[in-house]
Formats: sequence, C-alpha cells, structure tokens
Amino acid sequence: QKEVEQNSGPLSVPEGAIASLNCTYSDRGSQSFFWYRQYSGKSPELIMSIYSNGDKEDGRFTAQLNKASQYVSLLIRDSQPSDSATYLCAGGPYNNNDMRFGAGTRLTVKP
Amino acid sequence: DTGVSQNPRHKITKRGQNVTFRCDPISEHNRLYWYRQTLGQGPEFLTYFQNEAQLEKSRLLSDRFSAERPKGSFSTLEIQRTEQGDSAMYLCASSSDRYYEQYFGPGTRLTVT
Repeated sequence: QKEVEQNSGPLSVPEGAIASLNCTYSDRGSQSFFWYRQYSGKSPELIMSIYSNGDKEDGRFTAQLNKASQYVSLLIRDSQPSDSATYLCAGGPYNNNDMRFGAGTRLTVKP
Repeated sequence: DTGVSQNPRHKITKRGQNVTFRCDPISEHNRLYWYRQTLGQGPEFLTYFQNEAQLEKSRLLSDRFSAERPKGSFSTLEIQRTEQGDSAMYLCASSSDRYYEQYFGPGTRLTVT
C-alpha cells in the first residue's frame, strides 16, 4: 500500500461548480498534509496546508482533514477553467521530515 | 522574490554520460529536498539535507546518484553513467526548520538518449 493514495481521475466539472478531490494516507503518525497544484510541464505549487482535524479555508479553496479516517480532501468552489491542473496530495513527515506524494488527480474545468 | 532556482532547466545527454544539476533554495531555508517525477506520477523522494548534513536517502537513490550540499546553501545532484530510465523531471524543494511546507523550484528535465 502506498503511503498516500489519490483517485487518479480524471475529474471533470463545469465552470462554477464545486470540485472535490480526495486523498487517503496509511501512516497514522502523519501530522502534516498539503495540496499542490501542478500545471502540465510545470513544477508543483503549494496551495494549502492543514495540520489539525477539521476544515481550513483560503479563498475558493477548503482543505478538510479527518485523522480518525486518515482522509484529506480539497474542495474548490466556483471552479474556473484556470483551475484545470493536476492536484497532488502530500503527507508527512516520514523518517527525517520528507513527504510522500500521491499520484495526483487531474482536474478539468469546462467552460 | 528569491524562490527556489534550478539549473539547467533542460538537459539532454547520451546514455553513459554523467550529469550534474544545481539547486539554490530559498535563502532562509535550512532544509533541502530532491525529488524525481515521471509522467503521470507524483514526485518521489530521493534525498534530504538539513544544512550541510544529508539526513536521508531513498532506496531509489542508487550508487550512481550522489548529492551534496557543501556549505549548507546550494545543492548538487549528480547522476553517473546515465541510463534511459533516468529520464525524468528532477525537482528540488526547500523548507524552513519551523514549518513543513516545501516550496519547489522549476525542475530540471533530463532526457537520456
């Protein structure tokens, strides 16, 4: 079992809809979770971090963490075509502070 | 804005040649990480430095790979006797001691022919 798993998608939503991205992790000792956005051919860009159970909101983005269920999610409200990208979930720390990434979920927002 | 920088951005090399990549982290970050990413996959951890000390190496990092961070600032990743399977995007990231958020550089895309 991989440390961090994501639905590979692809996920397609219409413009203005809510996109929901999900991630599970295997190590109950993981404390920190991150969502990165990666456009094709570019490097990952950090968009959200979450450390505590519950919701964390930042603009149109809401990250949710449920440590009991070992589940992390990202909601994107009012999705825009510019949100079309691959979203990577990462968790850690493992060993000496490194993170483990999921394979990513490709999101397409259709105008 | 002095983010993470990486050089070169692209490298094409013939199988069997050695290549070296450089990463300059965000100036106040003590931690530096190297990852490798292939198409359709998330970044895979390779190695991690805290200041000049290399604290962890993934089993993915074969003997042909070596990384250094001699003065706790920039880092280099060298691949000796490259193989076609080494073709990938090599990503560098850095973070502070206090927060785990890692910020990535633009990456070096390696193509081994």
